[in-house]
Amino acid sequence: QVQLVESGGGLVKPGGSLRLSCAAFGFTFSDQYMSWIRQAPGKGLEWVSYISSSGNNFFYAGPVKGRFTISRDNAKNSLYLQMNSLRVEDTAVYYCARFDSTGYYFRGAWGQGTLVTVSS
Amino acid sequence: QSVLTQPPSVSGAPGQRVTISCTGSSSNIGANYHVHWYQQLPGTAPQLLIYTNNNRPSGVPDRFSGSKSGTSASLAITGLQAEDEADYYCQSYDSSLSDYVFGTGTKVTV
Repeated sequence: QVQLVESGGGLVKPGGSLRLSCAAFGFTFSDQYMSWIRQAPGKGLEWVSYISSSGNNFFYAGPVKGRFTISRDNAKNSLYLQMNSLRVEDTAVYYCARFDSTGYYFRGAWGQGTLVTVSS
Repeated sequence: QSVLTQPPSVSGAPGQRVTISCTGSSSNIGANYHVHWYQQLPGTAPQLLIYTNNNRPSGVPDRFSGSKSGTSASLAITGLQAEDEADYYCQSYDSSLSDYVFGTGTKVTV
């Protein structure tokens, strides 16, 4: 059974940094593209970033480009999101999900999410 | 501000049919990029409901169906059930933004 478990969220001041993790279970992690999607409190969904199965290719949404870095460790079945220069508007629940690079969609069930709050 | 527009809410009685529209433009749906739909039950994470316009992942009831035409897409729910109360989001790719974009979301009330 596919399971994704995010962690690492918390309260951080504007300008601060945070590193999110996503542990993957129940599928061959190294075969899958992976992605981060976020949802501000009471708001809709926003794609953040995705990374290829090998980790050699990655893409970012405009609002986070230059501040966030996506990475993965296939030996540990884990996905990461390093978030620097955080802004109040980055406050959201961050979800990880498998990404279908052919059809451009986020596959199956997502993780339960981890809340990032950026506030002074 | 999302480039894919959905009605904020739709409602229907049990057993009825409801549809949710997703209106885009020539740089996303109209550019022949696929449309996908996600269901977010209250207090839970979203999950894939329809992929590549009209395909259902295993386990999704055939009461849910998707369609696409021109710069718009639609999700139909037939035989509405209480368990279908959720938020629904469409999603596509936008070539002008080079982003994977979501719709504004629609709350379905049964």
